[in-house]
Amino acid sequence: SQQGEEDPQALSIQEGENATMNCSYKTSINNLQWYRQNSGRGLVHLILIRSNEREKHSGRLRVTLDTSKKSSSLLITASRAADTASYFCATDQAGTALIFGKGTTLSVSS
Amino acid sequence: GAVVSQHPSRVICKSGTSVKIECRSLDFQATTMFWYRQFPKQSLMLMATSNEGSKATYEQGVEKDKFLINHASLTLSTLTVTSAHPEDSSFYICSARDRGGYGYTFGSGTRLTVV
Repeated sequence: SQQGEEDPQALSIQEGENATMNCSYKTSINNLQWYRQNSGRGLVHLILIRSNEREKHSGRLRVTLDTSKKSSSLLITASRAADTASYFCATDQAGTALIFGKGTTLSVSS
Repeated sequence: GAVVSQHPSRVICKSGTSVKIECRSLDFQATTMFWYRQFPKQSLMLMATSNEGSKATYEQGVEKDKFLINHASLTLSTLTVTSAHPEDSSFYICSARDRGGYGYTFGSGTRLTVV
């Protein structure tokens, strides 16, 4: 099962530009998490935002959460070639498995 | 921090054979283990949830007789793909939750190729 959609499905930008990815979900959640996955590799946990939080920062990452719209966004500022990867949001509905969105493939060219 | 060791990282097997994938929690007790499958260029799809000492709960469309899950101890869960076929070729990844139910720790994944 999947919670919802992420958009865009693919994003290509130049180094130094900002990248914004959006995630929508369908049910109430405890928290929402963002993960990165390099091609053919495992998941890297980026950031977690709880349902009572609206915005969170971690380094070059900024995550927002709008529970009324059931949506979240991930902003990566000053992107680097090393940020090239797939990014997934995942929702935690309390006690159950994380449910992943479809993901955004980010390509950063130098 | 919490670590889940997943083995093997890559495996190639012949059609009709079975493959076992192991996930071990190294420094915590994984009371719940989740198994996901990821096809190329797609997202992670939950296959099943297992609680230590109990039978696994499978998601709709996942054949429980084909994907055998054992979670006999608090530190080890295994997924056995029985009578593997080329369409079972995928990336399989486990995720563990501890007693406190806080946080999810992912294994590094297993790339299964059935030839």
